[in-house]
Amino acid sequence: DGGITQSPKYLFRKEGQNVTLSCEQNLNHDAMYWYRQDPGQGLRLIYYSQIVNDFQKGDIAEGYSVSREKKESFPLTVTSAQKNPTAFYLCASSARTGAGETQYFGPGTRLLVL
Amino acid sequence: GENVEQHPSTLSVQEGDSAVIKCTYSDSASNYFPWYKQELGKRPQLIIDIRSNVGEKKDQRIAVTLNKTAKHFSLHITETQPEDSAVYFCAAGVNNQGGKLIFGQGTELSVKP
Repeated sequence: DGGITQSPKYLFRKEGQNVTLSCEQNLNHDAMYWYRQDPGQGLRLIYYSQIVNDFQKGDIAEGYSVSREKKESFPLTVTSAQKNPTAFYLCASSARTGAGETQYFGPGTRLLVL
Repeated sequence: GENVEQHPSTLSVQEGDSAVIKCTYSDSASNYFPWYKQELGKRPQLIIDIRSNVGEKKDQRIAVTLNKTAKHFSLHITETQPEDSAVYFCAAGVNNQGGKLIFGQGTELSVKP
């Protein structure tokens, strides 16, 4: 999992502002995922991508957008439409899609609203 | 929709004792069940996983059991040590959903010396 990086570690968002969280992997993994973690709760899937230029909504996609222009990069934008964005955001990747493929996580980005 | 229930939410044991965490899933098509350990402020790390064609898997002090009929799987940690203290998450995955995992709510395990 050392091959997955996220930046920044902390991010502050002002009201009405869009912010973008970076996720990069050098593991040559096909699939990438974004999860949101709130205190005392499990991880909830925001978006996932099985291949370059393709992505699908997860369970809580409203107020978020993603792109997958390169295999190694899967940035997440938190838009102003997301009214409660304060959370810990985790990016993950797996070698291939399908169940049974281990997902490796990045170190996370903590987003706070000013 | 798909759901994974995890219990207990907190668990405190004495060093050397065993700890058991239980999960129940709703989607009968689920066929992959990983367990992750997350230390405070850190990333989740896979500690063990099991697939639906296996009933039990063991790795040193950690074991996972799966009962497909009951849609239930459990994590067993024996001879617990203070460094086992963390939040543990179970998850369930379905092969035809692009690797999507549904996570339980997490169990905060505290091992007292």
